Amino acid sequence: DVKVTQSSRYLVKRTGEKVFLECVQDMDHENMFWYRQDPGLGLRLIYFSYDVKMKEKGDIPEGYSVSREKKERFSLILESASTNQTSMYLCASSPRSWDNQPQHFGDGTRLSIL
Amino acid sequence: AQKITQTQPGMFVQEKEAVTLDCTYDTSDQSYGLFWYKQPSSGEMIFLIYQGSYDEQNATEGRYSLNFQKARKSANLVISASQLGDSAMYFCAMGDISNFGNEKLTFGTGTRLTIIP
Repeated sequence: DVKVTQSSRYLVKRTGEKVFLECVQDMDHENMFWYRQDPGLGLRLIYFSYDVKMKEKGDIPEGYSVSREKKERFSLILESASTNQTSMYLCASSPRSWDNQPQHFGDGTRLSIL
Repeated sequence: AQKITQTQPGMFVQEKEAVTLDCTYDTSDQSYGLFWYKQPSSGEMIFLIYQGSYDEQNATEGRYSLNFQKARKSANLVISASQLGDSAMYFCAMGDISNFGNEKLTFGTGTRLTIIP
């Protein structure tokens, strides 16, 4: 079974802090994704990566950066956290494929910025 | 650009009845894939069913089926004989399969389904 593990289920940080959200997958997937989920807005893609050290901006990259130094690990970084970044963050992975493969998700991190 | 529209923010359905969750999409891509995910209150996203744009048959997975109408650009999820455990958020999503290496998905805003005993 594919396992995507996010380092924290709940996280509380202060405005201006640098925040790291970690995600690890154990299925040797090439693709990894970070989404944020807000009520009424669904899931919105922040960044994705299709290879080590490669990254592509998603729909809402402002205020975020990412790091992928190893294939299994994809980190989301809030450079200077702000209250409007309070949200649920979901990490996902999938294999590279001509035929869409489903993305496998972690359990999510509910982040509160005070 | 791809767009997914789910027009039902919430639905209440009696247990054991069939449920149809609506999803319409907009894309200029010739080849694409459509997914449905379930998100229970615990938060994890569970993949339910997939339909490729080139598939002539509607996809089925147990009690889930996808009513795919390509000309109308709709991909509705049908759940037969609903159960209390079906209460959850349901998301429709689409991806572009004409472009290798571009496997990102576009999600709709979701439908919250509540099954009434």
